[in-house]
Amino acid sequence: EVQLVESGGGLVQPGGSLRLSCAASGFTFNTYWMTWVRQAPGKGLEWVANIKNDGSEKYYVDSVEGRFTISRDNAMNSLYLQMNSLRAEDTAVYFCASGGTYGLLDWGQGALVTVSS
Amino acid sequence: QSVLTQPPSVSAAPGQKVTISCSGSSSNTGNNYVSWYQHFPGTAPKLLIYENRKRPSGIPDRFSGSKSGTSATLGITGLQTGDEADYYCGTWDNSLSAYVFGGGTKLTVL
Repeated sequence: EVQLVESGGGLVQPGGSLRLSCAASGFTFNTYWMTWVRQAPGKGLEWVANIKNDGSEKYYVDSVEGRFTISRDNAMNSLYLQMNSLRAEDTAVYFCASGGTYGLLDWGQGALVTVSS
Repeated sequence: QSVLTQPPSVSAAPGQKVTISCSGSSSNTGNNYVSWYQHFPGTAPKLLIYENRKRPSGIPDRFSGSKSGTSATLGITGLQTGDEADYYCGTWDNSLSAYVFGGGTKLTVL
């Protein structure tokens, strides 16, 4: 059974940092692109970033470019999202998902990130 | 303002059919595969359709996808109250080098 479990969410002040993790199991992690998607309160889904299976390619939505960094550890079957210079508008539930451009196949339950003073 | 345009809401009676449209451009839907996702608030989204018309294992054939030009369509037949959810289309945008979602469509089964 495929499982994606996010962790690391929480409350952080504007300008602060947070690192999300996503533990993957039940599939061959190192053969899949991986993706972060977020949903702000009352809003729709927003793609945040993705990373190629070997980590050689990374793409970001413009609003997080230069502030967020996506990475992965294939030996640990884990995906990460380092979030710096956080803003109120980054408040959202963050989902990790397997897949890249052809479809996001499996999703985690999400981790809530709240940016507030 | 989403790159992909979906109707904010659709509704139909149980047992009926509904379609949800997703309109884009040549940089996204016109030249890339479209996927469709079902999302019940507070839960993990679920992939319903990938590569325009393929269903992942376990997705019933009541759900179908099609694409023509720069527009894609999700069809749901034999509507059930359990189908009430938000539905999103998504695809890669070559100009933005980013994955883009539609704004989402709330389905109400009356």
